[in-house]
Amino acid sequence: AQRVTQPEKLLSVFKGAPVELKCNYSYSGSPELFWYVQYSRQRLQLLLRHISRESIKGFTADLNKGETSFHLKKPFAQEEDSAMYYCALQETSGSRLTFGEGTQLTVNP
Amino acid sequence: NAGVMQNPRHLVRRRGQEARLRCSPMKGHSHVYWYRQLPEEGLKFMVYLQKENIIDESGMPKERFSAEFPKEGPSILRIQQVVRGDSAAYFCASRQGLNQPQHFGDGTRLSIL
Repeated sequence: AQRVTQPEKLLSVFKGAPVELKCNYSYSGSPELFWYVQYSRQRLQLLLRHISRESIKGFTADLNKGETSFHLKKPFAQEEDSAMYYCALQETSGSRLTFGEGTQLTVNP
Repeated sequence: NAGVMQNPRHLVRRRGQEARLRCSPMKGHSHVYWYRQLPEEGLKFMVYLQKENIIDESGMPKERFSAEFPKEGPSILRIQQVVRGDSAAYFCASRQGLNQPQHFGDGTRLSIL
């Protein structure tokens, strides 16, 4: 069965520092990977998906099939990046999402 | 587009009562998903519906839980004879086409007394 692991429940960095939120997955096929973000008192929203290969709010994520990872990176963290981040896997287009347990990112001034 | 609308935002029930959670998908979206988030855990898939059809219910508990998405009106997640362990946040998501991402609602926080 598919599984998504986010090893860090909490991550704290200072403003301007690089940040990397880790995501590893286990799935035998070729899944689609997503990062969702939930800012305080807001709904879960899509941040980026690997097939888009785009940068959103300065964040990027590269799918590494060899390491089965989809880490989220940003070179210079901002205070407004403080939020809960969820990595998610989708087996096939349109199917259910399997979520990791989330990483709470805090960017300190 | 108002986005995915869920109501109520908060629902309190006593053990043994029924809970009904509603989800109106985004305009033009005919695919609806329900997820549950227990305290200190990630979101877990429950059921995937398309208008009038259940596509995947592999995440639904075998008893007391049911879901529907009628031709007209919102999708309903129904929990009969609620127990304390049903206390959780229930999220609904909808999508439009096959390669489109899922968009989430604000969730319903269910508390069982």
